[in-house]
Amino acid sequence: AQTVTQSQPEMSVQEAETVTLSCTYDTSENNYYLFWYKQPPSRQMILVIRQEAYKQQNATENRFSVNFQKAAKSFSLKISDSQLGDTAMYFCAFSGVIIQGAQKLVFGQGTRLTINP
Amino acid sequence: DAGVTQSPTHLIKTRGQQVTLRCSPKSGHDTVSWYQQALGQGPQFIFQYYEEEERQRGNFPDRFSGHQFPNYSSELNVNALLLGDSALYLCASSPAGWTTRYGYTFGSGTRLTVV
Repeated sequence: AQTVTQSQPEMSVQEAETVTLSCTYDTSENNYYLFWYKQPPSRQMILVIRQEAYKQQNATENRFSVNFQKAAKSFSLKISDSQLGDTAMYFCAFSGVIIQGAQKLVFGQGTRLTINP
Repeated sequence: DAGVTQSPTHLIKTRGQQVTLRCSPKSGHDTVSWYQQALGQGPQFIFQYYEEEERQRGNFPDRFSGHQFPNYSSELNVNALLLGDSALYLCASSPAGWTTRYGYTFGSGTRLTVV
């Protein structure tokens, strides 16, 4: 069974600073996908960024980028020029092969990120 | 284009009762998954429906059951409620097979409190 671990329960940085959230995972699969989701107080999970395991190039979406280390099974999220609106819970998630329909997501415990003015 | 819609937003039930939660997927999506998120925890996969059948199931007892209708909407039923069932229940939809490209679209959840 796959597991996802986020070792930082809470983080806090000043606005405009750069912050990195850590995530490690365990799987025996070779092809899989990794995601970072953001959950603001509105409760809705919002996809931040995704990474395909067969791609060596790290994914980037505007201020968000990842450091994907497949051998180390590590998948960290870097937020540059942090903004007050980035304050939220951040979840790392794993999905493996398709089983009739769509993959299930396995989530980590989350990191509560606070951006201070 | 409406996203994933869940109802109700909040619900209070008594231990032992039964509850039904509802989800309408995003337009164009035919696969619906349900997740349970306890306070301060990450979501846990309950089950997934595709073509009106339960396709995958997480480690949840048979008290948790579901249904998918021909219009792809879905219900989550929980019988004999326990205090530990108190959680945020999230519905997520996707086009079958495309989850890995776009990820799921989540609703805002139903907050269930069992007293």
